Amino acid sequence: SQQGEEDPQALSIQEGENATMNCSYKTSINNLQWYRQNSGRGLVHLILIRSNEREKHSGRLRVTLDTSKKSSSLLITASRAADTASYFCATVYSGGYQKVTFGTGTKLQVIP
Amino acid sequence: NAGVTQTPKFQVLKTGQSMTLQCAQDMNHEYMSWYRQDPGMGLRLIHYSVGAGITDQGEVPNGYNVSRSTTEDFPLRLLSAAPSQTSVYFCASRPDSPNTGELFFGEGSRLTVL
Repeated sequence: SQQGEEDPQALSIQEGENATMNCSYKTSINNLQWYRQNSGRGLVHLILIRSNEREKHSGRLRVTLDTSKKSSSLLITASRAADTASYFCATVYSGGYQKVTFGTGTKLQVIP
Repeated sequence: NAGVTQTPKFQVLKTGQSMTLQCAQDMNHEYMSWYRQDPGMGLRLIHYSVGAGITDQGEVPNGYNVSRSTTEDFPLRLLSAAPSQTSVYFCASRPDSPNTGELFFGEGSRLTVL
């Protein structure tokens, strides 16, 4: 079964607004990663947060991790039309590094 | 800088036919994996390999075979295609285990089984 579940499934915002996506997972993790997928393309890694970290920033991206709630959020600030894509969280189990499990994704549309 | 290369990009098969999806990476990554992506299901892990000669099953291995004879290549074989295997397939790699960092993805292979 899927390790991660994301919500919302779809999100539509105006350019310049912030976009927040959430990810919940089921078991203990070593780290959690966020990926972006443009339509018809492969996934591209955005950011990784380890289980002992609570918050991480990269440019306009901010990721938080709450291991007690088994959840993470991805915030994209000052969104641009080019941010339109699907976003996936992925978890690496603490007991088995080999399996990287993906959530179902959030489809983000940024309207110019 | 090629990264992860998948071939073919598109393929149409008839039920019962066999085929191999190719995946090659030029980054000397020891870990390679195959995922399938279906609408509303996200990506599901089919098989993975932590080095040449070592493979293991993921979440949805039935109907698929893999082998890893070299570090660079990780082909995925469908021995008898079924309509349920219609999907987009992605190959991904990363530096050796226990490195748990980012995966590098190919551009995908879109398979239709009639």
